[in-house]
Amino acid sequence: AQSVTQLDSHVSVSEGTPVLLRCNYSSSYSPSLFWYVQHPNKGLQLLLKYTSAATLVKGINGFEAEFKKSETSFHLTKPSAHMSDAAEYFCVVSDLYSSSNTGKLIFGQGTTLQVKP
Amino acid sequence: EPEVTQTPSHQVTQMGQEVILRCVPISNHLYFYWYRQILGQKVEFLVSFYNNEISEKSEIFDDQFSVERPDGSNFTLKIRSTKLEDSAMYFCASSEARWAGPAEAFFGQGTRLTVV
Repeated sequence: AQSVTQLDSHVSVSEGTPVLLRCNYSSSYSPSLFWYVQHPNKGLQLLLKYTSAATLVKGINGFEAEFKKSETSFHLTKPSAHMSDAAEYFCVVSDLYSSSNTGKLIFGQGTTLQVKP
Repeated sequence: EPEVTQTPSHQVTQMGQEVILRCVPISNHLYFYWYRQILGQKVEFLVSFYNNEISEKSEIFDDQFSVERPDGSNFTLKIRSTKLEDSAMYFCASSEARWAGPAEAFFGQGTRLTVV
C-alpha cells in the first residue's frame, strides 16, 4: 500500500529565508509524487510532479523538490520565502505508471506554511 | 487556462436529505475523481471514474454515494441521505488520458457541505 508522511504539521519562516517542507513516502513500486498547494478558500493547485524522469523537479513559483529513493523522501524547497507562499501544502503519491493505475491520489496530512514579515 | 469548476461553493442541508454536488471537468479529460476533506483532517479519495464506470472506490464510498456523468460535461456526486459526518469539503478532479493511463489531476475549488 502507498502512503505519505509529512513530517511537520506547521512550519514558520521569515520572508526571504529558505523553505523546507519534508515528505517521506512508502510505495511498493516506482511512485509518482506531487506537491499540491491550497491557499485559503481556494482549490488544490499542482506545484510540481515527479514521474520517474529527473530526480530534481522544478515547479511553479520557485519551488522545487528532489526525489531520493534511498531515503524515500520528496522534500519541497524554495530558496527565499514570499508572503504569498503562506498556505497549506500537501505531499501526494500515486501509482500513475502501474498496470492497475486508476489515478487515485494518496495525500499526506498537510503542512501549514506561515511566512512572517 | 482550462479549469475544473464546482457548484455550489457552499451547501447547507438537513440530515437525511439528498444532495447533489456538481462538477464540470476540463473538457478533454477522461478521468474524473471525487475527494473529500473533513475539517482538520487529510484529503481522502472517494472514487475514480473512467469510461462511464467507477474504476476504483474507497471504503468511504458506500451505498449512500453515487456518481454520474449525465451528459458530456458534468460529473456529479450524490449523497442519498446525508449524515452529520458527511460535512466536509468535497473536491472534484480530472485528468487527461496518456498512453499509460491518467496523467496528473487538476482540482476544482471545492464544495463545502454542511449537514445540520
